[in-house]
Amino acid sequence: EAGVVQSPRYKIIEKKQPVAFWCNPISGHNTLYWYLQNLGQGPELLIRYENEEAVDDSQLPKDRFSAERLKGVDSTLKIQPAELGDSAVYLCASSFTSSETQYFGPGTRLLVL
Amino acid sequence: AQSVAQPEDQVNVAEGNPLTVKCTYSVSGNPYLFWYVQYPNRGLQFLLKYITGDNLVKGSYGFEAEFNKSQTSFHLKKPSALVSDSALYFCAVRPLGTGGFKTIFGAGTRLFVKA
Repeated sequence: EAGVVQSPRYKIIEKKQPVAFWCNPISGHNTLYWYLQNLGQGPELLIRYENEEAVDDSQLPKDRFSAERLKGVDSTLKIQPAELGDSAVYLCASSFTSSETQYFGPGTRLLVL
Repeated sequence: AQSVAQPEDQVNVAEGNPLTVKCTYSVSGNPYLFWYVQYPNRGLQFLLKYITGDNLVKGSYGFEAEFNKSQTSFHLKKPSALVSDSALYFCAVRPLGTGGFKTIFGAGTRLFVKA
């Protein structure tokens, strides 16, 4: 069974540029999560989807971050415009339901110059 | 505030010796508890979880964790460490109840196993 797929794995952009990350969850998993992981820290939840509905986006900086999960499968996380402080690893995870174990993708490492 | 603490930034152990990675938490109610491992340039991999029942939970790669309700701890253990166990370990807690599906992660503990 394929795991959570994320792309790109690495991205380098200049500040003020837009950037987008893509995630394909494990087949059949209804819940999808986007996390931010800063160096030396644990993941912090940005947004959680139940199917196509964002049910917890309280930690998402909505002035520059947006996310979507059309059709309740793949998801895209966008930053526009990117700032230097956005440099981090962006992790996607999925689970069968909200109460089940989360499985993580390899992450996208973003560097904003 | 709900939180997870991993008091050691780094744990060093010799190969073949037992290892313990500590985790304590502060949440209301009876949470779900998890351990994940992260290798360089990889995402987090699930090791084990505690929901209810036996306080000693067995997981992947020979790891186990002991839940202690009175001490609000969930320490990760392995009887005999391998060099390949060297990685970053995260404890996570999912409080139950209102908004209870948000998982809180500790800051991580780096494990070094020396040959």
